[in-house]
Amino acid sequence: EPEVTQTPSHQVTQMGQEVILRCVPISNHLYFYWYRQILGQKVEFLVSFYNNEISEKSEIFDDQFSVERPDGSNFTLKIRSTKLEDSAMYFCASKLRTTSTDTQYFGPGTRLTVL
Amino acid sequence: GQQVMQIPQYQHVQEGEDFTTYCNSSTTLSNIQWYKQRPGGHPVFLIQLVKSGEVKKQKRLTFQFGEAKKNSSLHITATQTTDVGTYFCAGYRHSNYQLIWGAGTKLIIKP
Repeated sequence: EPEVTQTPSHQVTQMGQEVILRCVPISNHLYFYWYRQILGQKVEFLVSFYNNEISEKSEIFDDQFSVERPDGSNFTLKIRSTKLEDSAMYFCASKLRTTSTDTQYFGPGTRLTVL
Repeated sequence: GQQVMQIPQYQHVQEGEDFTTYCNSSTTLSNIQWYKQRPGGHPVFLIQLVKSGEVKKQKRLTFQFGEAKKNSSLHITATQTTDVGTYFCAGYRHSNYQLIWGAGTKLIIKP
């Protein structure tokens, strides 16, 4: 069964450094998402992406964040200057179609630790 | 903004007892989805409810969507150790793009 993959599984970085989290969505899916989950807390929507542009973003997704689909398979989340409070699990998800009734498939996540 | 409230935060049960978690939205949802997250894992889709008053069953799990499409529940009958994890509800705004998540209910089986 096809699945969403994410790399790395764990990233440790110093405050102020840039990080890029990578995701490979399921190949025929059209919608892509990034979510964040601070340890022990709820899943928070960051951004959705369709047709090579951001469809919607939350208030968390400020100017420090950006997303890109550079080559038709990878979907990346960049954090320009990491802060301690960016430490969290970051999940990528993808969905086949536009309808809200479609299932989102989540990747295994990248644990980001900012020191 | 639109919120999805989920209670309780934790539920401790003896193996074999039932478990229920409830979600309530501040506004009408187009649909609601339920996910399970095992400790250290990622959310895994369980089911989606779309119609007002809908009830769906998956073995020992029963999912309900309220008549007003603002609340939902998940009930597990006779819990087993494999049920351990956090159960999240998530509802779609009518924009289709943003899934609003509840805080989750952690199911803990007492030793």
